[in-house]
Amino acid sequence: GAVVSQHPSWVICKSGTSVKIECRSLDFQATTMFWYRQFPKQSLMLMATSNEGSKATYEQGVEKDKFLINHASLTLSTLTVTSAHPEDSSFYICSVSAGSTRTDTQYFGPGTRLTVL
Amino acid sequence: ILNVEQSPQSLHVQEGDSTNFTCSFPSSNFYALHWYRWETAKSPEALFVMTLNGDEKKKGRISATLNTKEGYSYLYIKGSQPEDSATYLCAFEASGSRLTFGEGTQLTVNP
Repeated sequence: GAVVSQHPSWVICKSGTSVKIECRSLDFQATTMFWYRQFPKQSLMLMATSNEGSKATYEQGVEKDKFLINHASLTLSTLTVTSAHPEDSSFYICSVSAGSTRTDTQYFGPGTRLTVL
Repeated sequence: ILNVEQSPQSLHVQEGDSTNFTCSFPSSNFYALHWYRWETAKSPEALFVMTLNGDEKKKGRISATLNTKEGYSYLYIKGSQPEDSATYLCAFEASGSRLTFGEGTQLTVNP
């Protein structure tokens, strides 16, 4: 399977600042990447889907101007949380997928814990 | 909003015990059912992708079954070992849609 890394693994920031999280596919050409977040005691929730070279598709209720996604290459996607607030504190995790066949597996990164003070 | 439920939420077993847990999902618009194993501080690891009603898949001591008509999948672990301790996630994939995850079953295997 693919190896996916995320950086940073955790970050603490002040309210109002922006935070960038990187997701890298180390050995795999990722045409599609997904960004999820998980609040305590809840399930992973998809935030957005991005395809290399095109705009991300955001899930209902996710503000595209607040959560900026850039998928400029087949190995890197970034999620920027702009003007972060305490309610944005969560676990953010990315995954990559090679395509859209029925048995395609998503390969996940280890996640980033964001704490906004 | 699709409802994917996993039970139990947590489970403690002794080394050597066999165990199983359940994933319930909508029985309409089924496309695929995914199982992941997620150890603390690591990436979720794909176990199975199941697509056909009646599917049974096996990977070592772990196996899974699928019933798309009634909307459930079972994950079985035979002879649990401490290294099996993890959260087991299932994710339902509807036709033309994305993965909807359950909250997971947290398994602890005591030596």
